[in-house]
Amino acid sequence: QVQFVQSGAEVSKPGASVKVSCKASGYTFTTSAIHWVRQAPGQGLEWMGWINVDNGNTRYSQKFQGRVTISSDTSASTAYMELTSLRSEDTAVYYCAKCSSSWFFDLWGQGTLVTVSS
Amino acid sequence: QSALTQPASVSGSPGQSITISCTGTSSDVGAYNLVSWYQQHPGKAPKLMIYEDNRRPSGVSNRFSGSKSDNTASLTISGLQAEDEADYYCCSYAGVSTAVFGGGTKLTVL
Repeated sequence: QVQFVQSGAEVSKPGASVKVSCKASGYTFTTSAIHWVRQAPGQGLEWMGWINVDNGNTRYSQKFQGRVTISSDTSASTAYMELTSLRSEDTAVYYCAKCSSSWFFDLWGQGTLVTVSS
Repeated sequence: QSALTQPASVSGSPGQSITISCTGTSSDVGAYNLVSWYQQHPGKAPKLMIYEDNRRPSGVSNRFSGSKSDNTASLTISGLQAEDEADYYCCSYAGVSTAVFGGGTKLTVL
């Protein structure tokens, strides 16, 4: 079936970087964009950015510009989100989501908890 | 861009109808027919409930409906059921290939 499987929970120190993966299956990987959304504990959803998997073009929220890199490996049907210069406020569950041409997210990964702590 | 504005909480009794609003601007909600709504139960990933302002994905109950007027989108749930208790988020295309979410609304079924 169509699904995303994300990498496991991470614990990182302030100032470090983290890279989360999102492996797709059940559909042709290059036909849909993949977005990343995060959710801090007890907080709402926050859009981070996206990648056009077909051509590799990316776009990021201004809030994360310069700290986030979204990439993909079409041979592995996997998207990645790397966040650098981590701070405690980056502690959150990070989701990948499949996006249609009409900017709605019809498939979500299970989420990856990233904890930033010294 | 700033988050879309949703009420922090709404409540209703089983069988009743409730409406959750989502207010944006003429640059996001009011500019495009690209508002979507998501339901999220605790510890779970969000689930798409409405897209393109008022379209319902297959498999989503027809008790869920969406509408929009100017810069405010709305999600209405009719015939409330206990299983509808969850957090609800709106999302809109915001131009220049970006998106923005609402702050979320906690629905309590009394």
